[in-house]
Amino acid sequence: DSGVTQTPKHLITATGQRVTLRCSPRSGDLSVYWYQQSLDQGLQFLIQYYNGEERAKGNILERFSAQQFPDLHSELNLSSLELGDSALYFCASSVGTGADTIYFGEGSWLTVV
Amino acid sequence: AQSVTQPDIHITVSEGASLELRCNYSYGATPYLFWYVQSPGQGLQLLLKYFSGDTLVQGIKGFEAEFKRSQSSFNLRKPSVHWSDAAEYFCAVLLREYGNKLVFGAGTILRVKS
Repeated sequence: DSGVTQTPKHLITATGQRVTLRCSPRSGDLSVYWYQQSLDQGLQFLIQYYNGEERAKGNILERFSAQQFPDLHSELNLSSLELGDSALYFCASSVGTGADTIYFGEGSWLTVV
Repeated sequence: AQSVTQPDIHITVSEGASLELRCNYSYGATPYLFWYVQSPGQGLQLLLKYFSGDTLVQGIKGFEAEFKRSQSSFNLRKPSVHWSDAAEYFCAVLLREYGNKLVFGAGTILRVKS
């Protein structure tokens, strides 16, 4: 158990809908990351937040957004969903923004039908 | 561009045999390197990491990896594989120019035959 908690574990939704994935980082970690794992793209970095502020951005679609709240939990919002958004979405956390170890949650499986 | 290459998509080894999974990276600065393992339907578990110092690093579950700067490699090894090691293994390099960003290889699927 990495200490990173993600909900829901599985989600099935229709095209055009919007979903929210939730993540609680390890106790004491200030950085939260979101990654997408798909068969065609592999593991891709989406975004990093540090202590409530966006810190780094990867290939995150404009239809996707994230935020980190004062209690350090984070949410990833996916809107106008398309079939191609079906993937495993990982949240990860680390202590800060230095050369830290990054610990991953078990992921949220999103299926868009 | 920074990248990680895992040349082997699949590897099959017999239980009890030794294992080496290859990883090559392309990165101009000092690399921070990781190996993660993903069992079917599971999340990513950290096996080991290299930040600096001794180039041979020990990890969990009996795994070790050796950093070779001259070869831009960070290969993962295990002297004797167990059936429970069957999983997908990912090598990653941490980019730190702008925040923290892990760049992953495509992964190597390990099959263990009895």
